[in-house]
Formats: sequence, C-alpha cells, structure tokens
Amino acid sequence: DQQVKQNSPSLSVQEGRISILNCDYTNSMFDYFLWYKKYPAEGPTFLISISSIKDKNEDGRFTVFLNKSAKHLSLHIVPSQPGDSAVYFCAASDDISSGSARQLTFGSGTQLTVLP
Amino acid sequence: DTGVSQDPRHKITKRGQNVTFRCDPISEHNRLYWYRQTLGQGPEFLTYFQNEAQLEKSRLLSDRFSAERPKGSFSTLEIQRTEQGDSAMYLCASSRSTSYEQYFGPGTRLTVT
Repeated sequence: DQQVKQNSPSLSVQEGRISILNCDYTNSMFDYFLWYKKYPAEGPTFLISISSIKDKNEDGRFTVFLNKSAKHLSLHIVPSQPGDSAVYFCAASDDISSGSARQLTFGSGTQLTVLP
Repeated sequence: DTGVSQDPRHKITKRGQNVTFRCDPISEHNRLYWYRQTLGQGPEFLTYFQNEAQLEKSRLLSDRFSAERPKGSFSTLEIQRTEQGDSAMYLCASSRSTSYEQYFGPGTRLTVT
C-alpha cells in the first residue's frame, strides 16, 4: 500500500511558465514533508520542506503548499527553467515529535521536462 | 567535496555471490541511512544508524542483508547469496540527528546476472 502517491509520472512545461507537481498521502501521522530532485546517475538532492504546522513554505523559485485536510501537497516552480528538468520525489516523515526523521517514505516520482 | 560518497558506483555480480558496498557520510552527520531504489519507484528505506548503533531495520532487509557502521563514521552494506531481485540502486544518506533533511550519495547500482 503506497502511503505517498505521485499520480503523474510525467509533466511537460514551457520555459518561463509555472510547474506544479502534486503529491497525495494516506498516512495521517505524517507531519513533515520534503521534496527532492534527482538527475540521472545522481542521488536525490534535497530541495525544500514543510512542517505540518505550516501551509506554505517558499524558497526562491520554489514554493511548497500543504493542505492537511486533503492530505495533499504541491510544489510550484516559477519560472520554470530547462535546468529544472529532472525527476521530483515527494517524501514524508512521521517523526516530528523527535525533531528528526528516522526514515522517509517516498512517492514514485514525477519526471518534469521544461521545454526551451 | 564534503558530500556523501559511495563506492563502488556500479557492481555486476553473478547470482549467489556476496557483495559489499561502502558509504562515507558528511563528516558532521551522526545519522546514516540506507535506501534501495528500483526502476520507476522512489527510494525505499532499509535501515539507519545513529552513530554506531543500528536503530531501525525495514522488513525489506532480509537475513541476507547486513549493515554495519563500526566506528560511527563510514558504513558498509553486505548482501550475501545475491539474487536477481536484489538488482537495484542502493542509496546512502546522512543527516544530523536534529534535522529532517537527509542528504544522499550518488548510489551504487547493483546488477545481478
């Protein structure tokens, strides 16, 4: 049973436009969420995160939104650039009481292609 | 470069052989994690260490798998009697015990023939 789901395997966006990547989760105990970006032949790279006590976190061109009631989060990239083309993974942790993650549960990823 | 490093980057082995992978974490990180990733899936948690203590193991970690972190620095993951189903990317990550963000190495791609 997948506890973190990324239902869109791929997404194509024109350069300069907004990219929106979505993630749904089923485990109500998840309380910290992260997005990772992965290029071929490299490990995942941490991008941005959000705690369940917030509904938005912004870092430059990247913004993550969390809707706890819908168990849904999204990553917005504005403006999208060709270098953003990569696989994006959503991940979740249920260890907020300890202040750190014992393990992360990942979605299956979304391949983002930004067209020049 | 002070990132997480893994060795080897690629390993091809015959079914039934034993393999060992090494991970060197970011030096100031006391937590170290192993994940496995197969094609089209996200990383799946295998085990993690805080310093030299192995604190959690996934049910994915069968008896053929063993991980160590003897001095709380680098870690090794050994797979005994490899099977074709073990073919995957094995990822190592590290973090501070006060942080959620885990930093990944480039992975070791294992192919079992």
